Amino acid sequence: QKEVEQDPGPLSVPEGAIVSLNCTYSNSAFQYFMWYRQYSRKGPELLMYTYSSGNKEDGRFTAQVDKSSKYISLFIRDSQPSDSATYLCAMSARNTGTASKLTFGTGTRLQVTL
Amino acid sequence: DGGITQSPKYLFRKEGQNVTLSCEQNLNHDAMYWYRQDPGQGLRLIYYSQIVNDFQKGDIAEGYSVSREKKESFPLTVTSAQKNPTAFYLCASRVDRGAAFFGQGTRLTVV
Repeated sequence: QKEVEQDPGPLSVPEGAIVSLNCTYSNSAFQYFMWYRQYSRKGPELLMYTYSSGNKEDGRFTAQVDKSSKYISLFIRDSQPSDSATYLCAMSARNTGTASKLTFGTGTRLQVTL
Repeated sequence: DGGITQSPKYLFRKEGQNVTLSCEQNLNHDAMYWYRQDPGQGLRLIYYSQIVNDFQKGDIAEGYSVSREKKESFPLTVTSAQKNPTAFYLCASRVDRGAAFFGQGTRLTVV
């Protein structure tokens, strides 16, 4: 079983829809959670960073972390064709003296159609 | 501008040849990482480093080597022992307990 599970999609939605992207994880030591957007042949771009449980909002993006369920989500409101990309979740445990490994989901491919 | 610079953008390797991918950051981050990404797959960790002259193997270190002689630089060498090196290679850096930031990647192809 992978430490981080993410539905690979593809997920196709019409423009203006609310998109929900999710990851589940098994390691209860994870405390730092990130969402990245990756366009084809480009490096991942950081969208959201959260620590521990709770919600964080930035423009059209909202990240949620539920540590009790080991479940994180990214919501995209008013989705645009420019949001079409692969979305990666990533997480890590607290640094214990050596660099903390970042563990990634496999990514969800999103297509926003006109 | 602060950021992470990877070079070259495209790299071609002949069979049996070693090649080195460059990664430089001016974000003053302590930790640096190398990942490999294959089509339709997630990121797999090759090596990571917290401080100068110290680094740890990731999940797929065989056939790769790294050095960390300066805080700003973390080059990755793909050796001839790596039998399937064609992939997209990504370098990242991170401050302790912070988010990771990525370079734009190097696409390596065996010819």
